[in-house]
Amino acid sequence: KAGVTQTPRYLIKTRGQQVTLSCSPISGHRSVSWYQQTPGQGLQFLFEYFSETQRNKGNFPGRFSGRQFSNSRSEMNVSTLELGDSALYLCATPEWADTQYFGPGTRLTVL
Amino acid sequence: GQSLEQPSEVTAVEGAIVQINCTYQTSGFYGLSWYQQHDGGAPTFLSYNALDGLEETGRFSSFLSRSDSYGYLLLQELQMKDSASYFCAAIRRRDNQGGKLIFGQGTELSVKP
Repeated sequence: KAGVTQTPRYLIKTRGQQVTLSCSPISGHRSVSWYQQTPGQGLQFLFEYFSETQRNKGNFPGRFSGRQFSNSRSEMNVSTLELGDSALYLCATPEWADTQYFGPGTRLTVL
Repeated sequence: GQSLEQPSEVTAVEGAIVQINCTYQTSGFYGLSWYQQHDGGAPTFLSYNALDGLEETGRFSSFLSRSDSYGYLLLQELQMKDSASYFCAAIRRRDNQGGKLIFGQGTELSVKP
């Protein structure tokens, strides 16, 4: 089966810019969750989408937003980038029970 | 608040057994899972405890005690390829804001020859 795909894999931006990351879940899955991973804060939940609706949200500022399309693909957007937004952004879909299947991530560097 | 505590790093030798502990304090808790992440890679699922007790999956076992808010991951017959970061994650009821999975900060395991 095809796994979770994320594009781009690497991205370099400068402070103040905005960025859009894309995630395609495992075929047939309607739920997508996004996480931010940094050395200092670890893996932190950003938001979860199910059937185009945001179902849950983490504790991040409004600069972080997301959406999901009818084909279950999801995008997340970060506006007015800050140095601290440099991180690995992971998306995941439930695989079975309460486990998460993670994509390879997008490594964002903000200069 | 929501928190999971695990050691930041552990070192062991090839062939040995290592235990990585995790204590948690989360609302809406109903299970504990473990993930492995190699440098530069994505977290991959290892084990899941919905009930108290021991779950065994090959060389890996995981344990949960709800009364103690405690769990551990046991890795046996360590191999060099087991060098990675290991995360415990509390699974919460979906109606809890802040996510269904809350992760610990991770334990970096180094396996020496």
